[in-house]
Amino acid sequence: NAGVTQTPKFRILKIGQSMTLQCAQDMNHNYMYWYRQDPGMGLKLIYYSVGAGITDKGEVPNGYNVSRSTTEDFPLRLELAAPSQTSVYFCASKPGFGATNTEAFFGQGTRLTVV
Amino acid sequence: AQSVTQLGSHVSVSEGALVLLRCNYSSSVPPYLFWYVQYPNQGLQLLLKYTSAATLVKGINGFEAEFKKSETSFHLTKPSAHMSDAAEYFCAVTHQGAGNMLTFGGGTRLMVKP
Repeated sequence: NAGVTQTPKFRILKIGQSMTLQCAQDMNHNYMYWYRQDPGMGLKLIYYSVGAGITDKGEVPNGYNVSRSTTEDFPLRLELAAPSQTSVYFCASKPGFGATNTEAFFGQGTRLTVV
Repeated sequence: AQSVTQLGSHVSVSEGALVLLRCNYSSSVPPYLFWYVQYPNQGLQLLLKYTSAATLVKGINGFEAEFKKSETSFHLTKPSAHMSDAAEYFCAVTHQGAGNMLTFGGGTRLMVKP
């Protein structure tokens, strides 16, 4: 059982380049999330989705876009990369509706450096 | 809106000593609280969760946490630290609304000295 799979694990981007971080889950979870982790700041929510075709902004959405065409996949797009987007990105999922008290399952993370 | 504060970004203990990691929450509704652990270059793994069934919650690897409503706290403890406990620990609360997302504290890095 793979759980939540993120690719790539590491990436170096130049300022102004774009890229897509991939996230896939095989648990048939409705809810999916993208977080970024910066030292001493915990994890901040970038975007989330409650089902295919439905996405919404989190706390720090500027500079990012997402889509959710299937239940399994939730890619995160960075347009015009900036040094401030250097971070570790985590994708997570949890069962939908009525899942307030259930835990989220996390991928292994993507470490992105923008130079 | 819910929020979480973790006191102490770094905690150092000797092997065999008590581990105490502090977490205070703010919530206008009864909270659902979680502790996650992150080992180096890994994702987050659930240690334990509070969902109102019992105030003392036992988790994996000998950790436990006690929910104290009067103190708005959910501190994580382990009686005897092991070298393998060295990691970063995050306290989180579930947003009880659209999306049920987790709001995280800033994290506490636990160091265990031999």
